[in-house]
Amino acid sequence: SQQGEEDPQALSIQEGENATMNCSYKTSINNLQWYRQNSGRGLVHLILIRSNEREKHSGRLRVTLDTSKKSSSLLITASRAADTASYFCATDEGYSTLTFGKGTMLLVSP
Amino acid sequence: NAGVTQTPKFQVLKTGQSMTLQCAQDMNHEYMSWYRQDPGMGLRLIHYSVGAGITDQGEVPNGYNVSRSTTEDFPLRLLSAAPSQTSVYFCASSYKSSHRDGYTFGSGTRLTVV
Repeated sequence: SQQGEEDPQALSIQEGENATMNCSYKTSINNLQWYRQNSGRGLVHLILIRSNEREKHSGRLRVTLDTSKKSSSLLITASRAADTASYFCATDEGYSTLTFGKGTMLLVSP
Repeated sequence: NAGVTQTPKFQVLKTGQSMTLQCAQDMNHEYMSWYRQDPGMGLRLIHYSVGAGITDQGEVPNGYNVSRSTTEDFPLRLLSAAPSQTSVYFCASSYKSSHRDGYTFGSGTRLTVV
């Protein structure tokens, strides 16, 4: 069953603006990961945050994790048209697999 | 490195036919998984493997079979195709600890069953 649930389902912004996506999950995790999927393509790993970490940065990406609320957020700063894609959170619960949410579709307009 | 290679990229099957979706990785990853992606459903786990000779069922295993005879290959077999199996299928692999690099995905196989 789905573990992560992303919010919002769809997000439309202008280039240069920041985009924030949220993910909630239900059970204990080892880590939480964010992936990007361009239309018709495979998923690409963006960033991983471990259960004992609260915040992590990678370039224009900032991920936070609140294990007490079982939630995470992905912030993309200074968005570009090339950031247009679907974004998925996935949780590693220690069962040798990942459980994915349904994703957030981000549209960045020039 | 090629990463995760899936073949074919597209396939049309008739109801009742069988076929094998191929997946190969050259990163010496221990873990491999098959997911299907349907509109509005996200990715759902079909089968997974933690090493050669070891496989297990995921969330939606019915109608599919897998084997893992080598570290590199993890084929997915559709035993008797049904229209409900129309979907995009992704193979993914990772090191034993996904802490290390996350999962690497193939580019997918788009399957239509008519």
